[in-house]
Amino acid sequence: RKEVEQDPGPFNVPEGATVAFNCTYSNSASQSFFWYRQDCRKEPKLLMSVYSSGNEDGRFTAQLNRASQYISLLIRDSKLSDSATYLCVVTEFGSSNTGKLIFGQGTTLQVKP
Amino acid sequence: EAGVAQSPRYKIIEKRQSVAFWCNPISGHATLYWYQQILGQGPKLLIQFQNNGVVDDSQLPKDRFSAERLKGVDSTLKIQPAKLEDSAVYLCASSAAGYTEAFFGQGTRLTVV
Repeated sequence: RKEVEQDPGPFNVPEGATVAFNCTYSNSASQSFFWYRQDCRKEPKLLMSVYSSGNEDGRFTAQLNRASQYISLLIRDSKLSDSATYLCVVTEFGSSNTGKLIFGQGTTLQVKP
Repeated sequence: EAGVAQSPRYKIIEKRQSVAFWCNPISGHATLYWYQQILGQGPKLLIQFQNNGVVDDSQLPKDRFSAERLKGVDSTLKIQPAKLEDSAVYLCASSAAGYTEAFFGQGTRLTVV
């Protein structure tokens, strides 16, 4: 089983649509959770951190369910500029107690006019 | 604030040749990562440094890949000899700590022919 699994996509949605991405992780001891965005042929950049209580940033809402080891990202009122790959990221801690960032394979979103 | 610097941006080599990539992290960041990203996949962690010590290199193909971070600042990643399957983007990232947001360089796109 992969450490971090995401919906493979691609998701093709019209402008204005609401779209949700899911992510599951295998290590119940994981501590930190993030969503990164990666544009075509660019480096990943942090979109938002994910907190236990859930958090919102404008049109984006992230939620964490520790019991189910599940993370989600909801995008409301999709814009053309939201077209990108969304990467789910989980921090695992090793024996040295230093965290490492584990990435999912990414979900591609294409927003169409 | 200067970001993560990587060079070169592009490299084309023949199989069995050697290649080296360089990374200069954000000033003051103790944690440095090297990731390999194959087209259509998420970044895969190759090696993680905490200052100048290796924290995790479990997925580094040590028969051909090596990395060092002398003096806990710059880092180099070397492949010797290269194989066709090493064609990928090599991303360097740094973070203040191993569980906080990581900032990525623009990556080195390696093509092995």
